[in-house]
Amino acid sequence: QVQLQESGPGLVKPSQTLSLTCTVSGGSISSGNYYWSWIRQPAGKGLEWIGRVSISGGTFYNPSLKSRVTVSIDTSKNQFSLKLSSVTAADTAVYYCAREAAITGTTSMYNWFDPWGQGTLVTVSS
Amino acid sequence: DIQVTQSPSSLSASVGDRVTITCRASPSISNFLNWYQHKPGKAPKLLIYAASSLQSGVPSRFSGSGSGTDFTLTISSLQPEDFATYYCQQSYITITFGGGTKVEI
Repeated sequence: QVQLQESGPGLVKPSQTLSLTCTVSGGSISSGNYYWSWIRQPAGKGLEWIGRVSISGGTFYNPSLKSRVTVSIDTSKNQFSLKLSSVTAADTAVYYCAREAAITGTTSMYNWFDPWGQGTLVTVSS
Repeated sequence: DIQVTQSPSSLSASVGDRVTITCRASPSISNFLNWYQHKPGKAPKLLIYAASSLQSGVPSRFSGSGSGTDFTLTISSLQPEDFATYYCQQSYITITFGGGTKVEI
């Protein structure tokens, strides 16, 4: 079955760019009608969706983070990536990657996340 | 924006108990709501999608109901492996999650 694994630096300095990669195994990132998403969870807080990329490279971001986020995909490596610029301590969180199903409904899209990676802690500190 | 409020934020229960968790959306989101289980250090797991559809492989003691603004996740008979935090998530307008409900012994 498909599995996802996040990787990247665990410590990023304030004002720098956070960069993470999600490697998909057990299946092709290009198969099926899926998006590939990033979600984060600051310590003691709830989950926040960051953004998604399609296999054609199309993206959609959380409006609250849109100005700082870039999500990209490399189908040849079965990977997708997150870049978050100008980070502050508020960006300290566990970052998850996930496969996102998207099914057309009558009035909107049914979007859900399955599976998820185990998450990676990124701390923003000097 | 869609506001999604979960209640309670935590609850204490025993093995065998029937547990109900509520998610309230404002404004209405039809049935564009999903439920997840999250254990510390593990990947979150999809339980229910489209408000009431059980994800493949999820035990039948989990069920979801509701439409519009009020939704519930029910665990009919709590098992030791069910102690975790549960989240709802809406996709009617962009994507947002509820604040979570921690189910403790």
